[in-house]
Amino acid sequence: GENVEQHPSTLSVQEGDSAVIKCTYSDSASNYFPWYKQELGKRPQLIIDIRSNVGEKKDQRIAVTLNKTAKHFSLHITETQPEDSAVYFCAASIRAGTALIFGKGTTLSVSS
Amino acid sequence: EAQVTQNPRYLITVTGKKLTVTCSQNMNHEYMSWYRQDPGLGLRQIYYSMNVEVTDKGDVPEGYKVSRKEKRNFPLILESPSPNQTSLYFCASSFEASYGYTFGSGTRLTVV
Repeated sequence: GENVEQHPSTLSVQEGDSAVIKCTYSDSASNYFPWYKQELGKRPQLIIDIRSNVGEKKDQRIAVTLNKTAKHFSLHITETQPEDSAVYFCAASIRAGTALIFGKGTTLSVSS
Repeated sequence: EAQVTQNPRYLITVTGKKLTVTCSQNMNHEYMSWYRQDPGLGLRQIYYSMNVEVTDKGDVPEGYKVSRKEKRNFPLILESPSPNQTSLYFCASSFEASYGYTFGSGTRLTVV
C-alpha cells in the first residue's frame, strides 16, 4: 500500500526566511498531493494541492513542487511570518476513489 | 456556511461506557471519513464511507463502528471504550476520496 514519509518533523526559522518541507511517497500510481495546515487547537485546513500532471503550483507565498520520477513533493513557504507557525501535513492519494494517506506532520515555528 | 459539524467537542468517559460522536456535513459530499490524531503519529484513518450504506475500514478500525444511513451523517461509535482510545478525533468529508477534505472541529475524547 501507499506510504508517505514527511521530513523534517520539526523546523524552526526566523521571520522572513524560507521554509521547505519534503514528503516522499511509495506508490508511483499516486496522483493527488494536498498539503494541510493545522494551527494549535484547530482543525487541519487545506492550503494547497497538486495533481500528478503538474510539476509546480504557487499561491502567494506558498508553492508545492512535484518530482514524479523521484516520487517526492515539497512545500515551500517564502517570507515566513509568525502566523505561519503550525503543524503541516502532506498527503497522497493513489487514484480517484481511494483515501488520502497522510504524513506524520512537520511542526513549523517562525520566530520574530 | 459549508461545514462539517462534530459533537461533542470534548468528552470524558469511563472505560466500557458506550458512546457516539456525531458528524454531519451540509455540502452534499459523497465521501466521509474518521481520523484519530495522536502525538507523533499524525492522522490515522479509522473508517471511511464512499456513499450511503457503503463503509470500509481504514488503518486503525479496531474498537470502532460507523454507519452511513444518510448522506449527511456519519457517526463514530465506540461500543466499549478503553483508555487507548483517548485521542483527538476528526471527521472529514469530500466530493470524492482523492480530493481536498473539509475537516470538522475535532472531538477530544478522554477515556478513564
